[in-house]
Amino acid sequence: AQTVTQSQPEMSVQEAETVTLSCTYDTSESDYYLFWYKQPPSRQMILVIRQEAYKQQNATENRFSVNFQKAAKSFSLKISDSQLGDAAMYFCAYRRGAGGTSYGKLTFGQGTILTVHP
Amino acid sequence: GAVVSQHPSWVICKSGTSVKIECRSLDFQATTMFWYRQFPKQSLMLMATSNEGSKATYEQGVEKDKFLINHASLTLSTLTVTSAHPEDSSFYICSATEFLAGEKNEQFFGPGTRLTVL
Repeated sequence: AQTVTQSQPEMSVQEAETVTLSCTYDTSESDYYLFWYKQPPSRQMILVIRQEAYKQQNATENRFSVNFQKAAKSFSLKISDSQLGDAAMYFCAYRRGAGGTSYGKLTFGQGTILTVHP
Repeated sequence: GAVVSQHPSWVICKSGTSVKIECRSLDFQATTMFWYRQFPKQSLMLMATSNEGSKATYEQGVEKDKFLINHASLTLSTLTVTSAHPEDSSFYICSATEFLAGEKNEQFFGPGTRLTVL
């Protein structure tokens, strides 16, 4: 079974600074996707960024970028120029590739609460 | 992105009663919907996967007779908590996706339903 581990229950960052959230995963699959989701106090899940395992290039979305190390099974999220609105709980998630009865199921990490200080 | 709604957003009920939560995809056809449960400051736990027109697949440890899931149409899935007890109090989140070959097949999340059982 796939597992996703976020070892940082809480992180904090000063506004305008950079912070990195860690995530490791375990899988025997070769085709899979990795995601970072943000859950603000409203509790609405918001997709921040996704990475296809077959792509070597790290995904970026504006101030958000990932460091995908496939061999090490590591998938960290870097938030640059942190803003107050970035304060939320962040979840790393895994989804296997196409095929099989479990297709589409997301496996979430434990989450990291990010606090942004003004 | 696509919109998923949940109704109600919060509900309070007496112990022993049943509660129904609706999950709707507003602007796309959801071939598959997922139901999650989340306790405060914890991760999302997948309860079941429902495919339109077929029986839901429950995760290990989830009582299917207690958490009834119906996915009767491509835009609506319902979760009924039967004979609710205080330990069923939680935040319930649905997500929906329309699986298409070669597409990203993102999961879109509803805003969640807070259930409190007295």
